[in-house]
Amino acid sequence: GAVVSQHPSRVICKSGTSVKIECRSLDFQATTMFWYRQFPKQSLMLMATSNEGSKATYEQGVEKDKFLINHASLTLSTLTVTSAHPEDSSFYICSAIGDRDSGANVLTFGAGSRLTVL
Amino acid sequence: GEDVEQSLFLSVREGDSSVINCTYTDSSSTYLYWYKQEPGAGLQLLTYIFSNMDMKQDQRLTVLLNKKDKHLSLRIADTQTGDSAIYFCADVAGNKLTFGGGTRVLVKP
Repeated sequence: GAVVSQHPSRVICKSGTSVKIECRSLDFQATTMFWYRQFPKQSLMLMATSNEGSKATYEQGVEKDKFLINHASLTLSTLTVTSAHPEDSSFYICSAIGDRDSGANVLTFGAGSRLTVL
Repeated sequence: GEDVEQSLFLSVREGDSSVINCTYTDSSSTYLYWYKQEPGAGLQLLTYIFSNMDMKQDQRLTVLLNKKDKHLSLRIADTQTGDSAIYFCADVAGNKLTFGGGTRVLVKP
């Protein structure tokens, strides 16, 4: 079945640094990728939707200059948390969906990346 | 906007059936999903149902959809301790996925 790989699974960084998280669709071409944020014991909050080759669409309240999303190819999207602060510490999860021909037209999630900002 | 609601917690004895309920508000939903999340992990797709179906069975899992009442349920037969996790329902309307708040299921031996 469809597999989405997310890297790194855990990252600890100092306040003020930038962190990049990668999301890859391993065996299908992802027409759309989604980035979510999950606070402890809460549900997932959609941050942005990205389509290959175009700018990401951010949800209301999500700072696009803070959370840079690049969907450079049909198998890779990256989320960069710029100038990270402790309040950015969270669990970030990506998901991807392909078109009907890809056999992956159901959302598949990555395993998540836990960011801790000191 | 779309609202998806779930009960927060369910406790069940090992071997019994679990039923997790979910309600949604968007009548244009096309797919409805159930995901399982274990501590510190991502989401695992358990099953999904198209909005034109009213039931889907997959081994121990049975999904029931009442489109008129916008009510979705997931039944887990013969619940095992490994089923302890948080279960999220989610619906797709357009290209947007909206999650419920999650139901924490605790399976007691």
